[in-house]
Amino acid sequence: QKEVEQDPGPLSVPEGAIVSLNCTYSNSAFQYFMWYRQYSRKGPELLMYTYSSGNKEDGRFTAQVDKSSKYISLFIRDSQPSDSATYLCAMSSLTGNQFYFGTGTSLTVIP
Amino acid sequence: DGGITQSPKYLFRKEGQNVTLSCEQNLNHDAMYWYRQDPGQGLRLIYYSQIVNDFQKGDIAEGYSVSREKKESFPLTVTSAQKNPTAFYLCASSVTSTEVAFFGPGTRLTVL
Repeated sequence: QKEVEQDPGPLSVPEGAIVSLNCTYSNSAFQYFMWYRQYSRKGPELLMYTYSSGNKEDGRFTAQVDKSSKYISLFIRDSQPSDSATYLCAMSSLTGNQFYFGTGTSLTVIP
Repeated sequence: DGGITQSPKYLFRKEGQNVTLSCEQNLNHDAMYWYRQDPGQGLRLIYYSQIVNDFQKGDIAEGYSVSREKKESFPLTVTSAQKNPTAFYLCASSVTSTEVAFFGPGTRLTVL
């Protein structure tokens, strides 16, 4: 079983829709949860991160962590064509020495 | 500006050649990483370093080598032993080995 599972999509939504991106994980020791946005042929850009559990909001983006279900989500409100990219989730633990990434979900927002 | 730089942006290698990819960070981060990204695949860890003069192999280290002589620099050499080196290479760094990672812009390597 992979440490982190992420539906690769592709996901296609109309402009203005609410987008929900999700990852599940198996290691209960994970404490840092990150979301990255990657445009084609570019390096991943850190969007948001949370430590431990709970929600975090930044503009149109909301990150949620449910440690009891080992499930994390990224919500994008009022999606824009410029949100079209691949979104990667990532996790790490306090005692580990590396990060664990999902395979990424490809999102297209149609004008 | 603080950040991670990678050079070159594009690199072409002939069969049998070794090439070195540069990664520099001015974030004062202790930990640095090299990942390989292939189309349709996730990030795969090549090497990582938690402190200067120390580094460990990742999941796909064969055919690659690294050094960490300075805190801000973590160059990756792709040797001729790497049979399928064409890929997008990403360097990352973090304050410590378990906190949030930041990525550079990447180097696209193509074997001719």
